[in-house]
Amino acid sequence: QVQLVESGGGVVQPGRSLRLSCVASGFTFSTYRIHWVRQAPGKGLEWVAVIWYDGSNKYYADSVKGRFTISRDDSKNTVHLQMNSLRAEDTAVYYCARGAGGSYYDYCDYWGQGTLVTVSS
Amino acid sequence: DIQMTQSPSTLSASVGDRVTITCRASQSISSWLAWYQQKPGKAPKVLIYETSSLESGVPSRFSGSGSGTEFTLTISSLQPDDFATYYCQQYNSFWTFGQGTRVEIK
Repeated sequence: QVQLVESGGGVVQPGRSLRLSCVASGFTFSTYRIHWVRQAPGKGLEWVAVIWYDGSNKYYADSVKGRFTISRDDSKNTVHLQMNSLRAEDTAVYYCARGAGGSYYDYCDYWGQGTLVTVSS
Repeated sequence: DIQMTQSPSTLSASVGDRVTITCRASQSISSWLAWYQQKPGKAPKVLIYETSSLESGVPSRFSGSGSGTEFTLTISSLQPDDFATYYCQQYNSFWTFGQGTRVEIK
């Protein structure tokens, strides 16, 4: 069965960095896009970033552009989200999700359980 | 950027009620709209994609309709398991979620 497992969350000071990981299993990882979506405490969902199945395209929300970098390692079925210059407003549960494919932009058909990032001094 | 606006923000309903949630896009998104259900402390789960296609395993009491800029999610007969928050998401141009609609027990 399809599984996505996030890790790497924790408490970090403003201005510091953190790297999240998403390990996938149960499907042919190298043929799917992977998204990151976040949810601040008590708030709605915010799309963050996506990486194409072959790494050829990467897109970011304006709120994280220039600070976050998405990458993938198909040998380890893993996607990373490198988060630099963290701000208090980046505090959220971060979910990775599989892009369903079938169109240039796609919806997310499977989600991980999320990892909490808290940015606080 | 495409903005998505859901209404209402909160909906109070009883088991067996027919429930409708609306999602409006700031510009046409064709049929590239998905609906998700999220329960407290859990990841979102996709219900509907491409406006009206039911994701595998989702009960048939869920349905979606619309096109262009106005879309609806309908639950034909609300069940106890359906009390949750629902989000629409456009994927016509990048990705944007609506702000969510909480369905609570009346």
